[in-house]
Amino acid sequence: GAVVSQHPSRVICKSGTSVKIECRSLDFQATTMFWYRQFPKQSLMLMATSNEGSKATYEQGVEKDKFLINHASLTLSTLTVTSAHPEDSSFYICSARDFLTPGGETQYFGPGTRLLVL
Amino acid sequence: SQKIEQNSEALNIQEGKTATLTCNYTNYSPAYLQWYRQDPGRGPVFLLLIRENEKEKRKERLKVTFDTTLKQSLFHITASQPADSATYLCALGSAGGYNKLIFGAGTRLAVHP
Repeated sequence: GAVVSQHPSRVICKSGTSVKIECRSLDFQATTMFWYRQFPKQSLMLMATSNEGSKATYEQGVEKDKFLINHASLTLSTLTVTSAHPEDSSFYICSARDFLTPGGETQYFGPGTRLLVL
Repeated sequence: SQKIEQNSEALNIQEGKTATLTCNYTNYSPAYLQWYRQDPGRGPVFLLLIRENEKEKRKERLKVTFDTTLKQSLFHITASQPADSATYLCALGSAGGYNKLIFGAGTRLAVHP
């Protein structure tokens, strides 16, 4: 149980285009989803926290207009990188947790999406 | 500010030995602590969660201790195998609400045959 999927696993796009990444919880309801980015040999940097049916909470320094997050259902959150530039190239990882279940502190991570902007 | 420190140097051990990884933190009082494994190019995989009122937790060959006085957690892998080679991340969490996890930078473990 507690499987989180991400799609696509890898994407290459041209500078100026937008890219959408999907994060799905497959066998549980995710009241909260988190989006991270990770640079090589560095730890996960939290970008935003997304609660189902409400606006995402962004971390300091993360542009909300640049990284659009939608959490429309209890099993799906999307991250859209708008007008992507080469500096947005990174490894994007989502995680999900079910707050409403006792002991639901654990975050379950997706496999990640490698974004390369040319 | 909150700070989490994990061994920055890679840990190299011989197969069959016990690997011990350290996670120290300052300026924080976590309600729980989690350990994750991450392989290159993959998302972290949850291993163990230990709460502030627990001293020790075990799962198969894994053991985690949590000392809130020392502000330290130790993560042990007994009878290590080359397949255990990966980066191990510790993460601290607060009680209640939608509080986020704070991650350490991770320690890379290499188990040699």
